[in-house]
Amino acid sequence: SYVLTQPPSVSVAPGQTATITCGGDNIGSKSVHWYQQKPGQAPVLVVSDDSDRPSGIPERFSGSNSGNTATLTISRVEAGDEADYYCQVWDFSSDEDVFGPGTKVTVL
Amino acid sequence: QVHLQESGPGLVNPSETLSLTCTVSGGSISSYFWSWIRQSPGMGLEWVGCISDTGKTNYSPYINSRGTISVDTSKNHLSLTLTSVTAADTAVYYCARGGAVAYSGMDVWGQGTTVTVSS
Repeated sequence: SYVLTQPPSVSVAPGQTATITCGGDNIGSKSVHWYQQKPGQAPVLVVSDDSDRPSGIPERFSGSNSGNTATLTISRVEAGDEADYYCQVWDFSSDEDVFGPGTKVTVL
Repeated sequence: QVHLQESGPGLVNPSETLSLTCTVSGGSISSYFWSWIRQSPGMGLEWVGCISDTGKTNYSPYINSRGTISVDTSKNHLSLTLTSVTAADTAVYYCARGGAVAYSGMDVWGQGTTVTVSS
């Protein structure tokens, strides 16, 4: 089945930019979704279809997708952005959803 | 505003059957894909399976024949049944709403229900 890779952790200072990658074979041909999960809470969709922001998600969250890498970018990072972030795609070859292993974002 | 609420037994004996329900309020269960996702303690998100608005189901290869997802439109709820459970099925189980197509993101999630498999 399709495999997604993410860095286990990313550290960033407040006000700086966090970049989280999601790797997969020709992932640029798929729709990538990103979720934020804070401890003890359910995941929240922060970017859908590569780069769309659901209602209520700050403009600081943006996404892109090309080739073998999709990227979630968090600009002007705040302490409240500290969370685990997961990418997700639908694999048409096996008809299943696939989540990446997650990236823990730490705000220094 | 659509709200999802999972419910289940909390504790299940090994080899028995787990049954979970996800009640949808504030909107219709029709015309969407619905998924179950679980998260074992300290681990990442794992997709369990989904059901389309036409009733077509897909399951994770790790669940496969042990799982059954169904929708009851009259009650506006979604169900997951998992047979022959083991300790590896211990997790927080979430239901989530997808879009009109399988590859849509999941924009509404329940708070999750904790399931422990133990004798």
